[in-house]
Amino acid sequence: DIQMTQSPSSLSASVGDRVTITCRASQSISSYLNWYQQKPGRAPKLLIYAASSLQSGVPSRFSGSGSGTDFTLTISSLQPEDFATYYCQQSYSTLFTFGPGTKVDIK
Amino acid sequence: EVQLVESGGGLVKPGGSLRLSCAASGFTFSNAWMSWVRQAPGKGLEWIGRIKSKTDGGTTDYAAPVKGRFTISRDESKNTLYLQMNSLKTEDTAVYYCTTGDSVWGSYRNWGQGTLVTVSS
Repeated sequence: DIQMTQSPSSLSASVGDRVTITCRASQSISSYLNWYQQKPGRAPKLLIYAASSLQSGVPSRFSGSGSGTDFTLTISSLQPEDFATYYCQQSYSTLFTFGPGTKVDIK
Repeated sequence: EVQLVESGGGLVKPGGSLRLSCAASGFTFSNAWMSWVRQAPGKGLEWIGRIKSKTDGGTTDYAAPVKGRFTISRDESKNTLYLQMNSLKTEDTAVYYCTTGDSVWGSYRNWGQGTLVTVSS
């Protein structure tokens, strides 16, 4: 199975900050990497698919980059509604896997 | 509007069985690849399995922790996805989500609200 890691596991940031989250795959997954946002008690929400494509309706302050094994999710200017946990997910192999998550909270 | 509504969760003893359902609407269910994802209390997301559309073979794939114990099936006449869970363990305690989206990129843009399964004696 392809293992996914994320760093950091948590971070504290202020409104307006630029935030970057990293996701790494245990082997090359081309661009088969998706990002989700999850708030407590809610289902995940798709933000980015295919490593860098913005899901319809998602604010443009979210962006994704990378290919192969290393990927990043960037929030250009953190907003109050962005405090949440973020997960990456690989969809390259037959068996999909999620990263362990990165919790973004208020500094 | 796409809607996925899970049901069937509850309390079950270790070794027991439970069947979850996911009623789908607002899209062509027969063409969709459907998946189950779970989340243990306070933990991250875990992909547990998928069923392809019948036109794509209707085959299933499972993550190692549930393979041989869980079975995913679908009923096109009812637009419903199922998850049959047997030989349940305490570590299967989680919120179970059904989800679907893009079968090309494997991204999940539609999620149900989740149903809680608690495995405890």
